[in-house]
Amino acid sequence: GAGVSQSPSNKVTEKGKDVELRCDPISGHTALYWYRQSLGQGLEFLIYFQGNSAPDKSGLPSDRFSAERTGGSVSTLTIQRTQQEDSAVYLCASSFLAGSASDTQYFGPGTRLTVL
Amino acid sequence: GENVEQHPSTLSVQEGDSAVIKCTYSDSASNYFPWYKQELGKRPQLIIDIRSNVGEKKDQRIAVTLNKTAKHFSLHITETQPEDSAVYFCAAPSGYALNFGKGTSLLVTP
Repeated sequence: GAGVSQSPSNKVTEKGKDVELRCDPISGHTALYWYRQSLGQGLEFLIYFQGNSAPDKSGLPSDRFSAERTGGSVSTLTIQRTQQEDSAVYLCASSFLAGSASDTQYFGPGTRLTVL
Repeated sequence: GENVEQHPSTLSVQEGDSAVIKCTYSDSASNYFPWYKQELGKRPQLIIDIRSNVGEKKDQRIAVTLNKTAKHFSLHITETQPEDSAVYFCAAPSGYALNFGKGTSLLVTP
């Protein structure tokens, strides 16, 4: 079946511009996660969705970052007034069960964001 | 929150040798420990996981061991092959999400 998909695969933007990154989770998966992976680093948690609500936004690095999820499916991560330190690969993951980090998370291919 | 430490950061082995990657965690209540493999430019993929009610789990050439008392778990790859070359990440639950180690870059040379 179809896995997690993300778009765009690559995004180059100028400092100060806003960007939107999209995630399509596996159909039927209730939980959705956003992570950030900087060059040579591990995966840094950003935000967790349970259905359309986000009970855990603790990983968002600043108020320039926001995310929403609609219809219990597609999610959009928005970064306003991008800075060079926002350059990273943004990964989305989904899992069938919500409310538990112990359910297998399936990752998308990521969006590579470069801020010039 | 959970803190996951992973060692070594890089590992080079010859084809056919074994590779071992170790992780420690801080939250004694953690009960699920997955390992992900990420090939260059690709998405992380789950290769094996272990839950706290068992001490070892095997899947062909891959095994994971868990020591709850010492709060550490390890990935063992036997008879390594060049296609095992990748970055491996361990993780442990932290709230609703996973807290990942910083990764181990494994290189298997022919």
